[in-house]
Amino acid sequence: GENVEQHPSTLSVQEGDSAVIKCTYSDSASNYFPWYKQELGKRPQLIIDIRSNVGEKKDQRIAVTLNKTAKHFSLHITETQPEDSAVYFCAASSGDSWGKLQFGAGTQVVVTP
Amino acid sequence: DTGVSQNPRHKITKRGQNVTFRCDPISEHNRLYWYRQTLGQGPEFLTYFQNEAQLEKSRLLSDRFSAERPKGSFSTLEIQRTEQGDSAMYLCASSLGRGDDEQYFGPGTRLTVT
Repeated sequence: GENVEQHPSTLSVQEGDSAVIKCTYSDSASNYFPWYKQELGKRPQLIIDIRSNVGEKKDQRIAVTLNKTAKHFSLHITETQPEDSAVYFCAASSGDSWGKLQFGAGTQVVVTP
Repeated sequence: DTGVSQNPRHKITKRGQNVTFRCDPISEHNRLYWYRQTLGQGPEFLTYFQNEAQLEKSRLLSDRFSAERPKGSFSTLEIQRTEQGDSAMYLCASSLGRGDDEQYFGPGTRLTVT
């Protein structure tokens, strides 16, 4: 089955700086890679996703890149703000179980003013 | 609120008791997923439905766990003979019907087994 590893587990950045979170996956058949943001005590919410037919996707201050050959994908947050503080999870959908998401362990992002 | 809803939000039970959770997905969503999340970890897949059909069940799920979605709308997750290791947040999510459709999560049911 799919295995997703996520790094770093915690990330502290100064407001205005960029944050990068990296994930690797094991199943070469995986073709859908969403990123979720979870604030303390709240439900996970999708912030961006990418499918295997593209290498990069951007939405305002958030971007995701995908390297299928190396089986890794990354989340980039630019011009970080205090409201970006949360836990971020990457996930991959295994090719043999379309829709079943395998999540990484999460990255606690703290943006300090 | 037209999002995914879950009940109860919190459940405290004694070891050995049975518990049942309910999930109401977004009305036009055909797919419904159950995940479990423990502190400091990402959600862990348990099972999912396409309409009323249960398509897959995690190998990590013991026989004490069962889920149903009898009419293709709401779903229930039952845990029999609860153990302390079952303590976790149980999350439900729904999506339109394709594997790469966005999954919308509910607020979760926090289970504490004493």
